[in-house]
Amino acid sequence: DTAVSQTPKYLVTQMGNDKSIKCEQNLGHDTMYWYKQDSKKFLKIMFSYNNKELIINETVPNRFSPKSPDKAHLNLHINSLELGDSAVYFCASSQERAQTQYFGPGTRLLVL
Amino acid sequence: GNSVTQMEGPVTLSEEAFLTINCTYTATGYPSLFWYVQYPGEGLQLLLKATKADDKGSNKGFEATYRKETTSFHLEKGSVQVSDSAVYFCAQNSGGSNYKLTFGKGTLLTVNP
Repeated sequence: DTAVSQTPKYLVTQMGNDKSIKCEQNLGHDTMYWYKQDSKKFLKIMFSYNNKELIINETVPNRFSPKSPDKAHLNLHINSLELGDSAVYFCASSQERAQTQYFGPGTRLLVL
Repeated sequence: GNSVTQMEGPVTLSEEAFLTINCTYTATGYPSLFWYVQYPGEGLQLLLKATKADDKGSNKGFEATYRKETTSFHLEKGSVQVSDSAVYFCAQNSGGSNYKLTFGKGTLLTVNP
């Protein structure tokens, strides 16, 4: 069984569109994250939720809006997509106060 | 702020060669340290970790020792295999109320038969 899953795996869309990426974890963790990996493989955190509460919000354009309907889900909605949003987006989860984060397989977003 | 610096790649080795990927960190506290591996087209997998000074993390023949005096966490493997070809990321987590992982830029390892 997949521990952290993301949908879709691939997303190709036009500039200006709005899209969502979904993440689910079945590990019973209460902290979830979104990371962005650019074309040079550099990974940077975007958001983190703990018990459905936003606890990390890095310098991310407000076109990106995370939503956590419950502890097992963290979705990422992106408005008015731009070329520079093309990247791989990884979801991760961990148990509060534990150190290890478990990553999903990634969503490869290409904005044309 | 916290940061992680790891050696730039790419690194190309022959099978059975010895591997070292250097990683150093800066942190205000005492972070936990991690190595993650990303195989081609896949997500990140935790390879090993160490949570305090002098701890050694090990997995699949890889090892790294948390050195507080040199603020380092170098990854080593005595004999690499073709299947070890991947991107390796060093990371730290300073804990407390800040749960985020700070990653190094990644090192691409290619092992040739």
